[in-house]
Amino acid sequence: ETGVTQSPTHLIKTRGQQVTLRCSSQSGHNTVSWYQQALGQGPQFIFQYYREEENGRGNFPPRFSGLQFPNYSSELNVNALELDDSALYLCASSLAVTGGTGELFFGEGSRLTVL
Amino acid sequence: GESVGLHLPTLSVQEGDNSIINCAYSNSASDYFIWYKQESGKGPQFIIDIRSNMDKRQGQRVTVLLNKTVKHLSLQIAATQPGDSAVYFCAENPPGAGSYQLTFGKGTKLSVIP
Repeated sequence: ETGVTQSPTHLIKTRGQQVTLRCSSQSGHNTVSWYQQALGQGPQFIFQYYREEENGRGNFPPRFSGLQFPNYSSELNVNALELDDSALYLCASSLAVTGGTGELFFGEGSRLTVL
Repeated sequence: GESVGLHLPTLSVQEGDNSIINCAYSNSASDYFIWYKQESGKGPQFIIDIRSNMDKRQGQRVTVLLNKTVKHLSLQIAATQPGDSAVYFCAENPPGAGSYQLTFGKGTKLSVIP
């Protein structure tokens, strides 16, 4: 177990709705990255937060947004949900932003279904 | 398209045999690669990593090989066990991306036959 916890584990929404997913990083980790994993695919990088600021973003539209809090926990928000947003959303925490290894610690994910 | 991909989507091996999982990458400037294991219902788990200044790196029962000439990465698992059954992803940290902003391939499903 990595110590990264995500909530909720499963949720169902309808098109056009908004969703907030939450992540508590492993103790002491100051960087949180979010990934989207469609069924049968590898994870895709959404964005990363370091010290409460966005520190890089993948190819996702602005309706995907995030926050990081002083305790390093994080939220992923998705507005105007589309059917293609159905996926497993993974949160990963790490200790350093630069010079570190790729040893991201992933949570178990939040499974979002959009109907 | 994706800069990281895999040659085989599925692989079945007999328990005790060695497994080899392959990965091709397209960005010759990538300098850092990682293998992850993902079991059903769980998040990816770090297995082993390698930087581009190395050709080979060994861990416990696992070896990663990097061939920069043909942009190929492989993961070798020795004496494969039933607990190794999972989907394996290679990932790269592309140039220009920050640390941990990884590009993953589609994955190879490894099934171990008891």
